[in-house]
Amino acid sequence: GGIITQTPKFLIGQEGQKLTLKCQQNFNHDTMYWYRQDSGKGLRLIYYSITENDLQKGDLSEGYDASREKKSSFSLTVTSAQKNEMAVFLCASARQDNTGQLYFGEGSKLTVL
Amino acid sequence: GDQVEQSPSALSLHEGTGSALRCNFTTTMRAVQWFRKNSRGSLINLFYLASGTKENGRLKSAFDSKERYSTLHIRDAQLEDSGTYFCAARGYNQGKLIFGQGTKLSIKP
Repeated sequence: GGIITQTPKFLIGQEGQKLTLKCQQNFNHDTMYWYRQDSGKGLRLIYYSITENDLQKGDLSEGYDASREKKSSFSLTVTSAQKNEMAVFLCASARQDNTGQLYFGEGSKLTVL
Repeated sequence: GDQVEQSPSALSLHEGTGSALRCNFTTTMRAVQWFRKNSRGSLINLFYLASGTKENGRLKSAFDSKERYSTLHIRDAQLEDSGTYFCAARGYNQGKLIFGQGTKLSIKP
């Protein structure tokens, strides 16, 4: 089995600050995702990547940047943190053919002061 | 765009009873996945179905792509089943997972 590791688990930043979340997976999956979960709501897709150096915008990409530095690594940057961005960010991965199961990391909770 | 409608939004059950959660899709989906959010906020895989039904312990899931729905049945509910359950469906067009809004399940003694 594999594992998805998100760092940090908790991130506290100031309004307007640039903040970065990191995700590593050892499944050797091609596709990786970043989702945002707000309390009482479903998950919304921010960015995904189908291979190294690929980036695809999701439904909520404005205000975020992402980088797929290598197959096992996918990072997400909040370009200018806002108070309404306090949420849990979940990284996930799946096989390339997009029919495979999605596996999630433990999540990163962002708090903006 | 493609939508997933999950119901009910909240459900309260007594221990030992059962019920079903449902997700309806606005279009034909390739596959569906069911998750449960754990106490740390992460999503735990329950089922992945491209068709038919799967069963695991007290949980059973069905997916009918043609009729555009999926269900998650819970029987003999236990206190530890409490939590928020999500369905997510993968469309043919984009291949992205589209999540339902979640069902908050409360199990009472």
